[in-house]
Amino acid sequence: ETGVTQSPTHLIKTRGQQVTLRCSSQSGHNTVSWYQQALGQGPQFIFQYYREEENGRGNFPPRFSGLQFPNYSSELNVNALELDDSALYLCASSLAKGQDYEQYFGPGTRLTVT
Amino acid sequence: AQTVTQSQPEMSVQEAETVTLSCTYDTSESDYYLFWYKQPPSRQMILVIRQEAYKQQNATENRFSVNFQKAAKSFSLKISDSQLGDAAMYFCAYRSYYSGGSNYKLTFGKGTLLTVNP
Repeated sequence: ETGVTQSPTHLIKTRGQQVTLRCSSQSGHNTVSWYQQALGQGPQFIFQYYREEENGRGNFPPRFSGLQFPNYSSELNVNALELDDSALYLCASSLAKGQDYEQYFGPGTRLTVT
Repeated sequence: AQTVTQSQPEMSVQEAETVTLSCTYDTSESDYYLFWYKQPPSRQMILVIRQEAYKQQNATENRFSVNFQKAAKSFSLKISDSQLGDAAMYFCAYRSYYSGGSNYKLTFGKGTLLTVNP
């Protein structure tokens, strides 16, 4: 069974640029959530995708957008990067089955905006 | 909105000793899940233990156990026989029991950095 993978591991971008982060869900999982973890903080929920549709969103502006593909892999896109977007971005996949499921996290992508 | 508070930014323990990490939360819901996650330097968030709010019995996983006090909205993690591999950042997290919208999201505390001294 393949775990959750994310790419790239590290990324450096300039303010105002756009970035795409990728996540490959654990085999059989149809739900993916994205979290932003600033340095010294706990992860903050960005949004969740279930069967290719956004299923809930945290307090993040529209320049944070996502996609989920038929194979349940996912992308997080951030436009007009700001310095405060520097963070570790985590994705977590799960198999939604009623109330009881566990989220499996990937190792994250460290984004630095200069 | 739910909040999770971890009041201990850092804790240290001697190898083989016991340590307790504290967590409090605020919610108006009666049913929910609580979790402790471990994040080692490799950054991968690993589930340590979970507790369903409707269960009165405290969860236990090998050397890890919780003290869940629903009325006090307290959820502490006890690590017994601490090992060097337990050194990591530990996060307490809350999830609503109810489905729909962003209810599946995890709400995390700021974390407690645990150091294990040999």
